[in-house]
Amino acid sequence: EDKVVQSPLSLVVHEGDTVTLNCSYEVTNFRSLLWYKQEKKAPTFLFMLTSSGIEKKSGRLSSILDKKELFSILNITATQTGDSAVYLCVGGSNYKLTFGKGTLLTVNP
Amino acid sequence: GAVVSQHPSRVICKSGTSVKIECRSLDFQATTMFWYRQFPKQSLMLMATSNEGSKATYEQGVEKDKFLINHASLTLSTLTVTSAHPEDSSFYICSARDSGVDAFFGQGTRLTVV
Repeated sequence: EDKVVQSPLSLVVHEGDTVTLNCSYEVTNFRSLLWYKQEKKAPTFLFMLTSSGIEKKSGRLSSILDKKELFSILNITATQTGDSAVYLCVGGSNYKLTFGKGTLLTVNP
Repeated sequence: GAVVSQHPSRVICKSGTSVKIECRSLDFQATTMFWYRQFPKQSLMLMATSNEGSKATYEQGVEKDKFLINHASLTLSTLTVTSAHPEDSSFYICSARDSGVDAFFGQGTRLTVV
């Protein structure tokens, strides 16, 4: 059975801190690893990773995939209160998406 | 970026009635659409995968006669919750797959059955 495990499950930091969110996966017929940010409603797409070792960046967020170790990290630098959300890691196969439980990030002023 | 539109965003219905939720891909053709359910403070739970023109594949434990899924075109999938009961109250989200990104999500539908 496919599974995606995220850690930590929750994290509280102060504005300006840098955080690293972790995701390990076991997905049959692996196709992609996706990161989403979920606030009150539907998840917002952040990154899709398909190749090992290539960092993707978007502003203060970056992510990288290690297909050998079946692992991905999401980094957020200089955190802001608006970064407070649940961050979902999702393993994509040819047939379906498998969700991690998410990491609840709280950024305090 | 690709847009997936889900409608309605919120619905309240009486117990025993049926509710239809629509999911449309607005600027791409979605050969595969996924339907999820989310309970408070929990991750998304895949209910079913639908491919255009064929029957949906339901996850274990999801009643296919209760949650009817139709994917009649490359841009539209519908989820009908039949004979809804209060325990069906939840947040339902669809996502659509295209060649560029594996999943774009609709805005979600908050269903409340009273």
